[in-house]
Amino acid sequence: GENVEQHPSTLSVQEGDSAVIKCTYSDSASNYFPWYKQELGKGPQLIIDIRSNVGEKKDQRIAVTLNKTAKHFSLHITETQPEDSAVYFCAAGTSGTYKYIFGTGTRLKVLA
Amino acid sequence: GAVVSQHPSRVICKSGTSVKIECRSLDFQATTMFWYRQFPKKSLMLMATSNEGSKATYEQGVEKDKFLINHASLTLSTLTVTSAHPEDSSFYICSAAGTSGTDTQYFGPGTRLTVL
Repeated sequence: GENVEQHPSTLSVQEGDSAVIKCTYSDSASNYFPWYKQELGKGPQLIIDIRSNVGEKKDQRIAVTLNKTAKHFSLHITETQPEDSAVYFCAAGTSGTYKYIFGTGTRLKVLA
Repeated sequence: GAVVSQHPSRVICKSGTSVKIECRSLDFQATTMFWYRQFPKKSLMLMATSNEGSKATYEQGVEKDKFLINHASLTLSTLTVTSAHPEDSSFYICSAAGTSGTDTQYFGPGTRLTVL
């Protein structure tokens, strides 16, 4: 079946360094790619999303890139801060269905 | 905008009882709501998709008679865990979608269910 692979599963970085999380999807029909941040005991929160008609999107310290040909998309967090520590999930969806396939999650730890 | 609430946030119940969890979209009309289950340190497992006024569509392996879903209005969906057992203990999260012009799911804060 369709799936989304996410790597790495855990990531530790020093405060101020950058963090990159990568996802690969299999469904060619996917055209919407959100990223969620989940803190312990809470629901996921949307942090950024990208559609297949653009290759990159940036929002302050967070950016997402998409390579539709390779079916890869990545989350980039620059100047990481301790409050960025959380689990991050990528997802792939198709317009109009609202339904996603989620990646397996990346536990990011920012060391002060 | 796009706020989703869940109630209760935590519930402890005895084995054999039923528990109802509410999911509300507070500032938008949600044509579609999703219910997920999440095990510790795991990803989100989709249980079912519900559209307002229609029967829910359950994922393979999810017992529809055990996990009753009702989506009676554009702002409210409920999940009832019937005859709960300890193995039903989990973190249940809803999401809502349907804001005009977006494909985004907005998640609730989750409900921690513990069945004794």
